Amino acid sequence: EADIYQTPRYLVIGTGKKITLECSQTMGHDKMYWYQQDPGMELHLIHYSYGVNSTEKGDLSSESTVSRIRTEHFPLTLESARPSHTSQYLCASRAGGTDTQYFGPGTRLTVL
Amino acid sequence: GENVEQHPSTLSVQEGDSAVIKCTYSDSASNYFPWYKQELGKGPQLIIDIRSNVGEKKDQRIAVTLNKTAKHFSLHITETQPEDSAVYFCAAMTKAAGNKLTFGGGTRVLVKP
Repeated sequence: EADIYQTPRYLVIGTGKKITLECSQTMGHDKMYWYQQDPGMELHLIHYSYGVNSTEKGDLSSESTVSRIRTEHFPLTLESARPSHTSQYLCASRAGGTDTQYFGPGTRLTVL
Repeated sequence: GENVEQHPSTLSVQEGDSAVIKCTYSDSASNYFPWYKQELGKGPQLIIDIRSNVGEKKDQRIAVTLNKTAKHFSLHITETQPEDSAVYFCAAMTKAAGNKLTFGGGTRVLVKP
């Protein structure tokens, strides 16, 4: 069982609100990832980080931003949520030098 | 970049029967191929993986085969049980792409009792 946590698990908010989705892991992994999972199930990489103060945009363009100030913490922020941001957001991490990515339980976001 | 195709998108099997999911990838430099199982309301969990220097790997009722020449790999679940019902994802990793995973579109498996 991977020690990677996401909060909140479910969030319903109104349009225009600023939100932060939290992701933390206690495994000391330096690589962390954010995926967006649409209702059709596909997983799209939106952000990743290879270590503290390192962040990169993923393959799918996203209006969200991320930060990596501590190894264990990789929060994702939406400055002004819109209904098009409604989705499942999954965080994952991986130890350097290994291949296995571990996923958190996800945050299901609904923007009204 | 890498492109991973997964088939079928849905699969319904009778309990006790076998289930097979197939994936193809485009980048011959990909060298790591994990399979994830995602149950309702949970994040994907790794169930088995295979590296490019191995042709087959088995773990109890689950097996994965890899054909590097044809660039495809498959997941085989034998003696399916209702708890095997979930969404399954294949993925491919390429070191040249910074070891990022590219996922297939997923297969929703339903095991009927």
